[in-house]
Amino acid sequence: NAGVTQTPKFQVLKTGQSMTLQCAQDMNHEYMSWYRQDPGMGLRLIHYSVGAGITDQGEVPNGYNVSRSTTEDFPLRLLSAAPSQTSVYFCASSRDWPRGTQYFGPGTRLLVL
Amino acid sequence: RKEVEQDPGPFNVPEGATVAFNCTYSNSASQSFFWYRQDCRKEPKLLMSVYSSGNEDGRFTAQLNRASQYISLLIRDSKLSDSATYLCVVNMERYSSASKIIFGSGTRLSIRP
Repeated sequence: NAGVTQTPKFQVLKTGQSMTLQCAQDMNHEYMSWYRQDPGMGLRLIHYSVGAGITDQGEVPNGYNVSRSTTEDFPLRLLSAAPSQTSVYFCASSRDWPRGTQYFGPGTRLLVL
Repeated sequence: RKEVEQDPGPFNVPEGATVAFNCTYSNSASQSFFWYRQDCRKEPKLLMSVYSSGNEDGRFTAQLNRASQYISLLIRDSKLSDSATYLCVVNMERYSSASKIIFGSGTRLSIRP
């Protein structure tokens, strides 16, 4: 099992550009989520999904879109990148979240200039 | 007041020492509690869940104090490999809404030889 994979590992964008962060899991987990982690702050939930075709907003959803067309994939789209979106982004999946373990991907480091 | 608060540290202790840190939470209805470990520039990984009765896993002991609204993590006989940031995670919704999973900002632990 590869677990949770994320691409790219690093990305530099200019303000106003758009991009998609990819996330995939091969554990057949229903629950998937996206977090951002900024220095001195805890991970903050951006969007989450409880199954294919179902998504919902987390704590900091503005400027991001998600979709869940398959159980395996949960891409995160930045619509028009801003310097405030410079962060490390983690995707996670879980079988029985939020009560159970979340498995995180290795993260994507994003710099917006 | 933050919903989940941790002392950021760093805690700098010698190998073999016992170290403990707490995490306080604001919502008395919180239901699920976890400790995650995060190595530098890596993804968080579950260390242990925290049950009402407390739980122990080798050198690690986690406890929950609902009256005072905090959870604790005790590490005995610390090893160099225990150096990491420890994240407290609280599910704040009675009915386990995924949108109210809150991560603390983490406590940094450094074990010296």
